[in-house]
Amino acid sequence: NAGVTQTPKFQVLKTGQSMTLQCAQDMNHNSMYWYRQDPGMGLRLIYYSASEGTTDKGEVPNGYNVSRLNKREFSLRLESAAPSQTSVYFCASLTGPWGDTQYFGPGTRLTVL
Amino acid sequence: AQKITQTQPGMFVQEKEAVTLDCTYDTSDPSYGLFWYKQPSSGEMIFLIYQGSYDQQNATEGRYSLNFQKARKSANLVISASQLGDSAMYFCAMREDNAGNNRKLIWGLGTSLAVNP
Repeated sequence: NAGVTQTPKFQVLKTGQSMTLQCAQDMNHNSMYWYRQDPGMGLRLIYYSASEGTTDKGEVPNGYNVSRLNKREFSLRLESAAPSQTSVYFCASLTGPWGDTQYFGPGTRLTVL
Repeated sequence: AQKITQTQPGMFVQEKEAVTLDCTYDTSDPSYGLFWYKQPSSGEMIFLIYQGSYDQQNATEGRYSLNFQKARKSANLVISASQLGDSAMYFCAMREDNAGNNRKLIWGLGTSLAVNP
């Protein structure tokens, strides 16, 4: 039981490049989330998926797209990376509908030059 | 308006002493949940403790307890017998249960705790 896994752990991109961050959970959770964490700003929600087949915008969705491929996997895509997207990205999952705990992946440290 | 407020950007505590990290929240939803997470310097987010709004007793998990004062809308984390390994960033978060099929958490900005030997 690996919990929530994320790949890659580190990534450096040039401005304008695209990439997809992968997230998978093996806990049979319904809801999955993508956050970004920047110094002094806590965790900000980018997108979330309350259940397979649904996705919704969070607090800071601009510049990102997501895909809930199946119940296990929730990917985050940067179509044209910008330096402002330099951040640590966390994926999380939550059993629903009355799940009590969000479980986090180890994070992806992304630098956009 | 900020829904989760952590007023202490940084805290210091001596090893083996107890420390309280403050968290106040704002919601009109009668059903909600409150969480504390720990983020050590290694970066992972570790779930510590959960309190539901209808729970009659304060939550406890080992050395962690949540001092839940519903009327004051506060959910302070108490760490007893601090250890050096408790040095980390601590985040308070809230889930509002009546926001449809929406299980988003609302996060505070965190408190940095340093435990001195």
